Amino acid sequence: GAVVSQHPSRVICKSGTSVKIECRSLDFQATTMFWYRQFPKQSLMLMATSNEGSKATYEQGVEKDKFLINHASLTLSTLTVTSAHPEDSSFYICSGGASSYEQYFGPGTRLTVT
Amino acid sequence: GENVEQHPSTLSVQEGDSAVIKCTYSDSASNYFPWYKQELGKRPQLIIDIRSNVGEKKDQRIAVTLNKTAKHFSLHITETQPEDSAVYFCAANTGTASKLTFGTGTRLQVTL
Repeated sequence: GAVVSQHPSRVICKSGTSVKIECRSLDFQATTMFWYRQFPKQSLMLMATSNEGSKATYEQGVEKDKFLINHASLTLSTLTVTSAHPEDSSFYICSGGASSYEQYFGPGTRLTVT
Repeated sequence: GENVEQHPSTLSVQEGDSAVIKCTYSDSASNYFPWYKQELGKRPQLIIDIRSNVGEKKDQRIAVTLNKTAKHFSLHITETQPEDSAVYFCAANTGTASKLTFGTGTRLQVTL
């Protein structure tokens, strides 16, 4: 299957700072990527759809000014958590797909805000 | 939008027994239903998927059934092994073909 990488795998930051997470499709081009957030013992919740060359589409309740998404190329999407707070601590996972159905997930980024 | 419900939330079976996890969805336009296995701290891994033009699909010990009329689909694992212990998520696509809505997850424990 297709490979998606994410960087960093873990990050600890202080409250009020910003953190950037990168999601790369290594062997396919992704015009669309998705960003999910997963709190402990909960399901994956879709945050936004990242569209190459255009603005991201955010799910209801997700602040677009806090979670900045950039999809500048067909292999890279970035999520920046701005002014992070402890409640933003979570597991962030991206996904992309070469076809219109199957999605391939990145390994996830564990964000801890102190 | 799509709503996916999943039951049970936890399931404990003895090694060798079968496990069944059920999901229902609300959007009749959904046509892709994947199942993922997630181990602690890891990414979800696709274990099987089914499209709406098929009623059943099997891959070794894993099978998925789909009833479009009733809007429900199920995961069946036979001859369970301890390494099957994990959290399993169902999902259904919505809106754009690849956008997924996930169920709440089932924690499966296979005991010796």
